[in-house]
Amino acid sequence: DGGITQSPKYLFRKEGQNVTLSCEQNLNHDAMYWYRQDPGQGLRLIYYSQIVNDFQKGDIAEGYSVSREKKESFPLTVTSAQKNPTAFYLCASSLPGQGDEKLFFGSGTQLSVL
Amino acid sequence: AQSVTQLDSQVPVFEEAPVELRCNYSSSVSVYLFWYVQYPNQGLQLLLKYLSGSTLVKGINGFEAEFNKSQTSFHLRKPSVHISDTAEYFCAVTDRNFNKFYFGSGTKLNVKP
Repeated sequence: DGGITQSPKYLFRKEGQNVTLSCEQNLNHDAMYWYRQDPGQGLRLIYYSQIVNDFQKGDIAEGYSVSREKKESFPLTVTSAQKNPTAFYLCASSLPGQGDEKLFFGSGTQLSVL
Repeated sequence: AQSVTQLDSQVPVFEEAPVELRCNYSSSVSVYLFWYVQYPNQGLQLLLKYLSGSTLVKGINGFEAEFNKSQTSFHLRKPSVHISDTAEYFCAVTDRNFNKFYFGSGTKLNVKP
């Protein structure tokens, strides 16, 4: 079955440590997105990529980095510069212009600080 | 840029009662509108979407929403809710190029027996 796989489901970060969240899709979607979810604040866009080897900052990109070396993969690194990383992180993908415009979501990664 | 406002952070309702979850958006361009549902510790699932055509959109699980351009609203309704509808609901908007999706802050629907 096609879908989006996020791993790990739970992740813990120590002070000063960088951590990487994995997102893989086998839907052959061109666009991929990373959102951060905090209680009561909805989803906020961190980074998005509409094509391989290209990505743009979203509304809260500071302290995060991404890469898009392959169409199916869009990993997110939470760097030590992100001082408040505890949140639920959601990866999504879409295939605009194909008559089924919507976001497909992974099941999320809960990141906590030790 | 677009933005979405969900004024109700929580909506308590008794089982089998009707419910309306409110969503208002702002945009200087034509938009597409969506409602997503999120169950605890899971990703979001699409309930319904408005792209064009009829302003009354029917989705899964008996939900429907009406696009009102003059009031810039896209309220979600269900005539009779079930315990299993307890979840958080998000309204979202994107422009016609699908460059970005903007989400509201969410409404937690709590269905009581």
